[in-house]
Amino acid sequence: GDSVTQMEGPVTLSEEAFLTINCTYTATGYPSLFWYVQYPGEGLQLLLKATKADDKGSNKGFEATYRKETTSFHLEKGSVQVSDSAVYFCALSDQNQGGKLIFGQGTELSVKP
Amino acid sequence: DAGVIQSPRHEVTEMGQEVTLRCKPISGHNSLFWYRQTMMRGLELLIYFNNNVPIDDSGMPEDRFSAKMPNASFSTLKIQPSEPRDSAVYFCASSLGQFQTQYFGPGTRLLVL
Repeated sequence: GDSVTQMEGPVTLSEEAFLTINCTYTATGYPSLFWYVQYPGEGLQLLLKATKADDKGSNKGFEATYRKETTSFHLEKGSVQVSDSAVYFCALSDQNQGGKLIFGQGTELSVKP
Repeated sequence: DAGVIQSPRHEVTEMGQEVTLRCKPISGHNSLFWYRQTMMRGLELLIYFNNNVPIDDSGMPEDRFSAKMPNASFSTLKIQPSEPRDSAVYFCASSLGQFQTQYFGPGTRLLVL
């Protein structure tokens, strides 16, 4: 079945460092890909998405490119801030699976001043 | 506009008691999803509805769990009887359509003693 694999955390960075969180997927169809962010004690917020190959999603300085050839959707940010500390979830939605979201295990990011 | 509303935000109950979680989707959204988040299993879909009709309940753990959507603006997830292993954060999400972007509520943190 469809699945999402993320790099394990926690990831600890200093402020202004470059961030990469790896995400790869397995899907039978042509999924849409998402990054959600969960701040402590809160629900999930959509960070960005891409619906087809080579699309780039971007928001708040974060970006990710849908790479069909490597089945990847890595999240990047050029300069992280303390306020970016959160858990990041990669997810896919496949029409063959009725549109439900399948999540990776989440990657905790901690940014130190 | 108001986002997805869930109640209660926190629930502590004793084993064997009935628990009812509530969700109000974003107005105009036709699809509603219930997810559960635990440390062991991550985020997993329990059930989803389209136009108030349950479409896929294959993620519901067992008969102790039931979900209803009596109208377009309200859904419940009930656990009867509750067990300690049901302790988790339960999220409700809604979307314009089955294959559209899902928006999450703040979650209900359930603790069964």
